[in-house]
Amino acid sequence: ILNVEQSPQSLHVQEGDSTNFTCSFPSSNFYALHWYRWETAKSPEALFVMTLNGDEKKKGRISATLNTKEGYSYLYIKGSQPEDSATYLCASSNTGNQFYFGTGTSLTVIP
Amino acid sequence: DAGVIQSPRHEVTEMGQEVTLRCKPISGHNSLFWYRQTMMRGLELLIYFNNNVPIDDSGMPEDRFSAKMPNASFSTLKIQPSEPRDSAVYFCASSLLGSVWDFQSSYEQYFGPGTRLTVT
Repeated sequence: ILNVEQSPQSLHVQEGDSTNFTCSFPSSNFYALHWYRWETAKSPEALFVMTLNGDEKKKGRISATLNTKEGYSYLYIKGSQPEDSATYLCASSNTGNQFYFGTGTSLTVIP
Repeated sequence: DAGVIQSPRHEVTEMGQEVTLRCKPISGHNSLFWYRQTMMRGLELLIYFNNNVPIDDSGMPEDRFSAKMPNASFSTLKIQPSEPRDSAVYFCASSLLGSVWDFQSSYEQYFGPGTRLTVT
């Protein structure tokens, strides 16, 4: 069983602040790292999929990096807005197409 | 496309009853995943199909749970008999998976709205 860990568990930031959080995963049999944004009462929405060491992806004010050798990924949000408030989930998939999710980082952006 | 469709959205049933959850994946996707979300365990993968064939069902809790995918556009997750500890939100997701060696193929999972199951 893969252990995907996310930190911090929850985070409160002021509107306009930039923030980042971490996803760590075992690097053995690694295939891809996935980030999802999950708003309350909705279903998870895919943000990024990364497969190669050193990958960087960006979507608007949100970006992510991947280090497969040391087994971590960072998600960055620049200039946080209240609509960014959500739980950010990461999942690691292996070469057997098995997905393992972390428990998420709950972000609250205070206006 | 309407996205992944799940039904019902809410289900309340009594212990011992059979429950059937339904999922229609995005047209053209070749993989379908069933997840369960609970406060205690977060999001857990129950079973995953590729081209209608169950590939990994190691997450299915016990024999009371079964899943089928009779064709590319429909899947069911059945619980018989249901128990209060089965109460959770059940998500279905679909994806277009290429070869594990094809780094260009889309690998994102698209989730349905979920079915909230309450077993009393």
